[in-house]
Amino acid sequence: DIQMTQSPSSLSASVRDRVTITCRASQNISSYLNWYQQKAGKAPKLLIYDGFSLQSGVPSRFSGSGSGTDFTLTISSLQPEDFAAYYCQQSYSTPFTFGGGTKVEIK
Amino acid sequence: EVQLVQSGAEVKKPGESLKISCKGSGYSFTSYWIGWVRQMPGKGLEWMGIIYPDDSDTRYSPSFQGQVTISADKSISTAYLQWSSLKASDTAMYYCARLDRYCRSTNCHNWFDPWGQGTLVTVSS
Repeated sequence: DIQMTQSPSSLSASVRDRVTITCRASQNISSYLNWYQQKAGKAPKLLIYDGFSLQSGVPSRFSGSGSGTDFTLTISSLQPEDFAAYYCQQSYSTPFTFGGGTKVEIK
Repeated sequence: EVQLVQSGAEVKKPGESLKISCKGSGYSFTSYWIGWVRQMPGKGLEWMGIIYPDDSDTRYSPSFQGQVTISADKSISTAYLQWSSLKASDTAMYYCARLDRYCRSTNCHNWFDPWGQGTLVTVSS
């Protein structure tokens, strides 16, 4: 299985901060990388697929970058509704494993 | 609107069997893989497996192979996740999700969207 490692596991930030979450794959996965947001008590929601493609309806303050083994999710200006957990997922080969998650909390 | 609606919360005893469901609507159910994802209390997401409802081709994560069975009934647009003998460690929220995709030449990118609302399974004596 491909292992996905996210960092940090949690972070505290303020509204309007720029936030960066990283995800590292245990092998080259090209751009087969997705990002999801999960708010407390809710199902996950797709934010970004194919490493950088923004899902329809997702605000443009979210962006994804990277290829190969190292990827980044950036929130350019954190909003109150962005406090949530974020997960990366590789779709290079089954099982399509998830990273351990990053919880973004209010400072 | 593409939608996945899951069956309700379950409370079971260790050793009991269980089958939970996920009904798709608003799209061609037989044209997309459906997956199951586990989330244990306070923990992250775990990919369990996927099924292609048209022919029931199924892929399991090695971590879940032999522990659960994924099936589908295309006549009623419903996928299932079942256990023959539950353990306390099966206590978790279980999500189904459609595996959407796009392909460029022979390279296909896949992602889960949308997701069901989740089914909470509690196993306790």
